Amino acid sequence: HSVLTQPPSVSGAPGQSVTIACSGSSSNIEAGYHVHWYQQLPGTPPKLLIYANTNRPSGVPDRFSGSRSGTSASLAITGLQAEDEADYYCQSYDSGLRGWVFGGGTKVTVL
Amino acid sequence: EVQVLESGGGLVQPGGSLRLSCAASGFTFSTYAMSWVRQAPGKGLEWVSLIPGNSFGVSYADSVKGRFTISRDNSKNTLYLQMNSLRADDTAVYFCAKNSGHLWENYLFEYWGQGSLVTVSS
Repeated sequence: HSVLTQPPSVSGAPGQSVTIACSGSSSNIEAGYHVHWYQQLPGTPPKLLIYANTNRPSGVPDRFSGSRSGTSASLAITGLQAEDEADYYCQSYDSGLRGWVFGGGTKVTVL
Repeated sequence: EVQVLESGGGLVQPGGSLRLSCAASGFTFSTYAMSWVRQAPGKGLEWVSLIPGNSFGVSYADSVKGRFTISRDNSKNTLYLQMNSLRADDTAVYFCAKNSGHLWENYLFEYWGQGSLVTVSS
C-alpha cells in the first residue's frame, strides 16, 4: 500500500498520448513538496525523468512533461514510442511518515 | 561521469546480517546526501534510508528502523548499509542513489547504481 497512488497500467498506440496520475494527500503533494518522476526500463535501475514537478534533466525528450495541482501530480507522454515502454514512478516527501515515498508504479504499454 | 556501484549482496538466512557497500565517483561525495532504495522482486520502489553528506541527521523507513544502519566514509567515497535481523520480506534489489536538491524535503534520487540483490531465505 503506497502513500502515493498510481494506476497499475496505462497503454496507448504509437504516436498517441498517455497521462499517468499520482494521487497524494495533505502530508505530501498538497503540502507543497516537490514531485519527481522516474522511468525504469526492464532490467535496469530507475532513471530520473522529471524533477521538481515540471523540470526535465538534460537529455530527456520534451515528449515527457510533468505537472502538479492540489493533492496530485501527473506525467504526460506525447508522441508515444516503443522505447517508452517501461515502469514509471512518482516520488515525493511525506511529513507524516518523515521520509521519502514512491508511488506504486505504472506500467506503460505501447500497443 | 557520476558512477555508483553497489556490492555485498547475497543469500542470508533469516535473522542473519549483511553489509552492503556503494562506491561512488565522478562527484564531490562528501557534499551530497546518499540513500538506499530497495525493490522487492516484481514490486515497486521503497526508500530505505538517507544520510547527509556530514552524516548528521540520518533517516530510516519504519520498516527497517532499529535493524538497519546507514553510514559513510567520505575519505573512501563509500556508502554502507549494515543490515541485521534480516527477514524474508527484506529480500530485494538494493539500489544506492545520489541525492540532489536544495531542501531536505525536496530531495530527489539523481543517479542510481545497478543494484545488489539480497535474498533472505533458509
